[in-house]
Amino acid sequence: NAGVMQNPRHLVRRRGQEARLRCSPMKGHSHVYWYRQLPEEGLKFMVYLQKENIIDESGMPKERFSAEFPKEGPSILRIQQVVRGDSAAYFCASLGIVGSGNTIYFGEGSWLTVV
Amino acid sequence: EDQVTQSPEALRLQEGESSSLNCSYTVSGLRGLFWYRQDPGKGPEFLFTLYSAGEEKEKERLKATLTKKESFLHITAPKPEDSATYLCAVPTTGTASKLTFGTGTRLQVTL
Repeated sequence: NAGVMQNPRHLVRRRGQEARLRCSPMKGHSHVYWYRQLPEEGLKFMVYLQKENIIDESGMPKERFSAEFPKEGPSILRIQQVVRGDSAAYFCASLGIVGSGNTIYFGEGSWLTVV
Repeated sequence: EDQVTQSPEALRLQEGESSSLNCSYTVSGLRGLFWYRQDPGKGPEFLFTLYSAGEEKEKERLKATLTKKESFLHITAPKPEDSATYLCAVPTTGTASKLTFGTGTRLQVTL
């Protein structure tokens, strides 16, 4: 966990404001995933990015949500005009190779509360 | 549609009382099964990846096994510090790394 860095850890926003969540993957990793965990629900895939490229955004809500992973700097998950239903834990993960297979490492999460 | 079902939802054990958690899955062409541990307020911590039926992996008091339809996480002589939610996940059909998660088993180990 320690290698995937997320910030802020906790964020409070009023309805209608914007939330920006940042993620730096583990050193040497160039693939980033974002997952959302709603209260009492499991982790749900949102988006998969490589540097400067969105690979799979099939889990992203159609409106208000966007993600990027620029050539330099962290990956950003942006939520515009937040609503109470956006309150959740947002986890970033990065993909690495361990032995003969893939391993996905998660960060500590960003807890968004919309008031 | 890919499905991952974990049971039981919650489990309470006394220290030293061994047990097993179950993860059953429905996915075409399994490309691995992942086990994670999640503590309250924290991110999932990687435990194991299993790739083929019959494979087993161990770490301290935990042992994960895999069959063609399910995986078990065996906890031997648990301690209170093993209390956590244990999650299993499989790569979504057609992908190698986009994960479908179960809802987890919440384990509490008491003295």
